[in-house]
Amino acid sequence: DAGITQSPRYKITETGRQVTLMCHQTWSHSYMFWYRQDLGHGLRLIYYSAAADITDKGEVPDGYVVSRSKTENFPLTLESATRSQTSVYFCASGIERRGPPETGELFFGEGSRLTVL
Amino acid sequence: GIQVEQSPPDLILQEGANSTLRCNFSDSVNNLQWFHQNPWGQLINLFYIPSGTKQNGRLSATTVATERYSLLYISSSQTTDSGVYFCAVLRSGTYKYIFGTGTRLKVLA
Repeated sequence: DAGITQSPRYKITETGRQVTLMCHQTWSHSYMFWYRQDLGHGLRLIYYSAAADITDKGEVPDGYVVSRSKTENFPLTLESATRSQTSVYFCASGIERRGPPETGELFFGEGSRLTVL
Repeated sequence: GIQVEQSPPDLILQEGANSTLRCNFSDSVNNLQWFHQNPWGQLINLFYIPSGTKQNGRLSATTVATERYSLLYISSSQTTDSGVYFCAVLRSGTYKYIFGTGTRLKVLA
């Protein structure tokens, strides 16, 4: 089925470990995003990507690394996890509608709940 | 940066009641979406509404971009409407959606 999937859905790790959250979409959307959701902060943008090999920082990029070698995949890596990165992470993708201005509807994956001990 | 404010922050309704949720934004936007986050944490698309009015069953939304606000109407509320409602705006010239802090709705049976 077409859609956007995240894995793992749940992950427990320890401080200092590297963790990668995977995101895969089957729509061929140009744009993909990573958000984190924390109590009291709502949804905050970590990184986004306009196309394969094009990525840019969002509001809270520190401590995270992204890559996008293929249009359909957008992994998020925590190189050395910290307790403050305990959160629910959402991947999203959006349709690029041709012609200015930039528009497009955003669709979310089911989220990945990460706990850093 | 652009500010997105939602009101009220919390809302408790009896089943069958109607409600209006508001989203104000501080700058020009190209697009606006409403989402419902259900109690299981899923973010569900409700409306993609850069301007005008749309209806989907008991829900409808209106965006007045020139006045920088959007309204989400829920009529005859049901317990399954409980959750958090977010609006998200797309800033002009970018593809960064910015989210409001949400309205937490609880519908009582």
